[in-house]
Amino acid sequence: NAGVTQTPKFQVLKTGQSMTLQCAQDMNHNSMYWYRQDPGMGLRLIYYSASEGTTDKGEVPNGYNVSRLNKREFSLRLESAAPSQTSVYFCASIKQGGTEAFFGQGTRLTVV
Amino acid sequence: AQSVTQPDIHITVSEGASLELRCNYSYGATPYLFWYVQSPGQGLQLLLKYFSGDTLVQGIKGFEAEFKRSQSSFNLRKPSVHWSDAAEYFCAVVPPSGNTPLVFGKGTRLSVIA
Repeated sequence: NAGVTQTPKFQVLKTGQSMTLQCAQDMNHNSMYWYRQDPGMGLRLIYYSASEGTTDKGEVPNGYNVSRLNKREFSLRLESAAPSQTSVYFCASIKQGGTEAFFGQGTRLTVV
Repeated sequence: AQSVTQPDIHITVSEGASLELRCNYSYGATPYLFWYVQSPGQGLQLLLKYFSGDTLVQGIKGFEAEFKRSQSSFNLRKPSVHWSDAAEYFCAVVPPSGNTPLVFGKGTRLSVIA
């Protein structure tokens, strides 16, 4: 019973490098989200996908792209990483009706 | 726009003392309300949630929260804090339609002293 699986758990990038954060859920949920967490800022929504084939911008989408590959997978891409993107990233899968969110363990990303 | 406010950035309590963490929301209708806890270096764990009905909600780890419509609040309480409760606590809301994303407050960090 994996729930929400995020990879990698840790990553260090140089400024300008690209990478993709992977997220998969096995709960057959329609909605999936990507958040970033920074000290004193709580969790801020980057992008979300209300269903397979749809994606929408959240509060802080600049510098990111997403792909809802299928119902299970929702990836987050940094095309050209910047130090301001140093953060902890969480993927969430949302139960139908918004009644509960299930979170991955997070990806700690450092951009130097 | 929907928003969630946690007025206290950091709270320190003595072990065995009672705890109340505040959460206020701004919304036209009553949203779904949640409290999450995050231990250092860990993911988020759901403590409790409120959708409708009884305004006093019981959660895991001995926590409870009370919804007060007149104050647009959903404060988290625990009668006797344990050292293991030291963590960051997040209040979150989502509108009843369920199609709008979960919005988080900025969190309250709880420290527990002997």
